[in-house]
Formats: sequence, structure tokens, C-alpha cells
Amino acid sequence: AQSVSQHNHHVILSEAASLELGCNYSYGGTVNLFWYVQYPGQHLQLLLKYFSGDPLVKGIKGFEAEFIKSKFSFNLRKPSVQWSDTAEYFCAVNEAGGFKTIFGAGTRLFVKA
Amino acid sequence: EAQVTQNPRYLITVTGKKLTVTCSQNMNHEYMSWYRQDPGLGLRQIYYSMNVEVTDKGDVPEGYKVSRKEKRNFPLILESPSPNQTSLYFCASSLGQGLAEQYFGPGTRLTVT
Repeated sequence: AQSVSQHNHHVILSEAASLELGCNYSYGGTVNLFWYVQYPGQHLQLLLKYFSGDPLVKGIKGFEAEFIKSKFSFNLRKPSVQWSDTAEYFCAVNEAGGFKTIFGAGTRLFVKA
Repeated sequence: EAQVTQNPRYLITVTGKKLTVTCSQNMNHEYMSWYRQDPGLGLRQIYYSMNVEVTDKGDVPEGYKVSRKEKRNFPLILESPSPNQTSLYFCASSLGQGLAEQYFGPGTRLTVT
């Protein structure tokens, strides 16, 4: 069965620190990959997605993620975090052409001002 | 404004009392889905619908029912709620399967006593 692992459940950073959140998935076929963010009191919204092409994808608010097929990974990065990045981040995977989406357990990021 | 709405936003009920959580989208999306979010488990898919009158089970369908009689609506029904269904529920919609971004509703916090 497909699964998604997010390695860090809680991350605390100071402003201007660099961020990398790990995401690994288990599925042998072609997948689409997503990072969603949930700011406090708000809806989940899409940060970025990968489905083909350049494995380095850029999203909103300065976030980027790199798809490494050989490692089944899709890690999220940001060079310099801001207090407003405090949120919960979810990695998600679905099979290309499929309807089921599997989410990771989420990573709560707290950025200290 | 393009959006997914859910009602009610908060609900406290007792074991065994049937309830329905409504979900509606105004984007003419074909695909809709229900998730529950629990601490440490992320979002888990309950049911999804590929179009009107077409639904299928997600990963945690036990104790839930859905229907899709109209494209815009996708209600979640708990025929006999139990305390283990206490959770935060999200409805989502998208244009289609695979790489399409999902748009999430604001969530419904359900407590079953």
C-alpha cells in the first residue's frame, strides 16, 4: 500500500534560518507529489506540486521542493523562513491518473521572531 | 468567489445520533473528497467521488456514508456516530484526478460524546 512519511513532526526555527522538511513515499509507479500548508485557523492550500519535468519545483512564498526519484523523496525547502511561515505542512502523493491521495502526518513548523 | 463550504463548522453530538455534514463547491469540479484529520496521523481519505453518482471508498470508510446526487454537493453521513469519529473533517474538490490541485473547505470539528 502507498504511504507517505514526514520525518519531523515538530520543527522550531528562528527567523532567517533555512528550512528543509523531509518527505518520503512508498509507491513503485508514476506519482504526482504535492505540498500543502495549513496556516493557523485557515484552510489547507497548495504550496507546490510536481508531476513531470524539472525535478526542482518552485511554489508560492519562496518555497521549493526537489523530487529525487531514486530516493522516493520530495523534500520541501526554503532558504530563509519568516515568522509568517508558522504553519503545518503536509506532503501528499497520488498515483498518476488515480483518485486516491495519501497524506503524510504533517510537520508543525514554529518560527520564532 | 471560488470556494468549498462546509456546514456545520462545529458540532457536538451524542453516540448513535445520526448526523450529516454538508459540503458544497461552486467551481464545477468533478472530483470531491472527504478527509479526517487526527493528531499525528495527518489527513486520511474517507470517501471520494469522481462525478455525480460515482463514489468510492478511501482508506478509512468504516462508519461513514456519502452520496453525490448533484455535482456541487457531497454530504458526509454518520448513521450512528461513535466517540472514535471525533475528529476534524475536511471536504475537498478538484477538476479531476491525478495532478489537479485540491481545494479544501474550512473544516468541521466534530465531537461525539
